Amino acid sequence: AQTVTQSQPEMSVQEAETVTLSCTYDTSENNYYLFWYKQPPSRQMILVIRQEAYKQQNATENRFSVNFQKAAKSFSLKISDSQLGDTAMYFCAFMKQLYIPNYQLIWGAGTKLIIKP
Amino acid sequence: NAGVTQTPKFRVLKTGQSMTLLCAQDMNHEYMYWYRQDPGMGLRLIHYSVGEGTTAKGEVPDGYNVSRLKKQNFLLGLESAAPSQTSVYFCASKGHLNTEAFFGQGTRLTVV
Repeated sequence: AQTVTQSQPEMSVQEAETVTLSCTYDTSENNYYLFWYKQPPSRQMILVIRQEAYKQQNATENRFSVNFQKAAKSFSLKISDSQLGDTAMYFCAFMKQLYIPNYQLIWGAGTKLIIKP
Repeated sequence: NAGVTQTPKFRVLKTGQSMTLLCAQDMNHEYMYWYRQDPGMGLRLIHYSVGEGTTAKGEVPDGYNVSRLKKQNFLLGLESAAPSQTSVYFCASKGHLNTEAFFGQGTRLTVV
């Protein structure tokens, strides 16, 4: 069974600093997808970034980038030039395959990120 | 474009009462899901549906029932609410060829 572990329950940094959130996962699959979702106080789940396991290049989305280490089963999220609006819970999630009927996202427990002014 | 809409957003139930949560999506997605979110545990899948008229159990299905009579709607029912069902419930939908799941804004349910 797949598992996703986020070892940092809470982190805080000063505005404009860079912060890295950790995520490790366990799977025997070779092809899969990894995601980082953001959940601000509004409760809305927002996709931040995704990574396909077959792609060696790390995904980037503006100030957000990942460090995907497939052999180590590690998928960390780096937020550069952090902003107050980045304050949220961040969830790492794993998806086994795309074209299966019983699609399921496996979620980590989340990291609460606080950006201080 | 509403995306995924959940109703209600908040509800308080007494133990033993029943209720239905409604999820509606306007993206013509085939797959729909109900999750519950509890502190320190991430999201756990309750039930899901891969198309109109079909449903299946997820990780934590006990105490819940679902129905998908129309493609755009996915209902989650609690027949006899228990305090252990106090949680935040999320509905999500996904297209068959998409990787991204779209979420509703959640329903905070308290069972007293």
